[in-house]
Amino acid sequence: AQTVTQSQPEMSVQEAETVTLSCTYDTSESDYYLFWYKQPPSRQMILVIRQEAYKQQNATENRFSVNFQKAAKSFSLKISDSQLGDAAMYFCAYRRKGSQGNLIFGKGTKLSVKP
Amino acid sequence: EAQVTQNPRYLITVTGKKLTVTCSQNMNHEYMSWYRQDPGLGLRQIYYSMNVEVTDKGDVPEGYKVSRKEKRNFPLILESPSPNQTSLYFCASSLWGTGTASGANVLTFGAGSRLTVL
Repeated sequence: AQTVTQSQPEMSVQEAETVTLSCTYDTSESDYYLFWYKQPPSRQMILVIRQEAYKQQNATENRFSVNFQKAAKSFSLKISDSQLGDAAMYFCAYRRKGSQGNLIFGKGTKLSVKP
Repeated sequence: EAQVTQNPRYLITVTGKKLTVTCSQNMNHEYMSWYRQDPGLGLRQIYYSMNVEVTDKGDVPEGYKVSRKEKRNFPLILESPSPNQTSLYFCASSLWGTGTASGANVLTFGAGSRLTVL
């Protein structure tokens, strides 16, 4: 069974600095999707960034980028120039490509941003 | 506006009193799913549906029922709620297909429903 592990329950970063959130996953599949979702205090789940496993190029969305290491099954999220609005829970998620691709979540990392 | 709408957003009920949490999406998505979120456990899938009249169990289906009679609606039913079903519930939907360029496989979530069972 696929699993997603986020080893950092909490992280803290100074405003304007860079922080990296870790995520590892376990799967025997070769084609799948990886996601980072943000959950601010409003509880809404917001897609931050996504990556297709067959694409070697790391995905980037403005200040958010990933370091996707397929062989190591690692999918870390880097937030550059951190802002107060980045404070939230961040969930890493995996979804197998195919007819029953359940989205499997890690347990989350709570990010605090200090002014 | 493209969205997933859940109701109610907040509910306090008592053990054994049947309740339904509604979910509706206006994006013509084939795939819909229910998750529950509990502290320290992340989100876990309860049930999902690939299309109308097609539903299947997720990881934690016990105590829940669903139906998919229309493409846009996917209600979650708690026939006899118990305190261990106190949780934050999310409905989500997506297109179904390959690749992410079209948005397929990218879940859109509702705003969540906070349920407390006394």
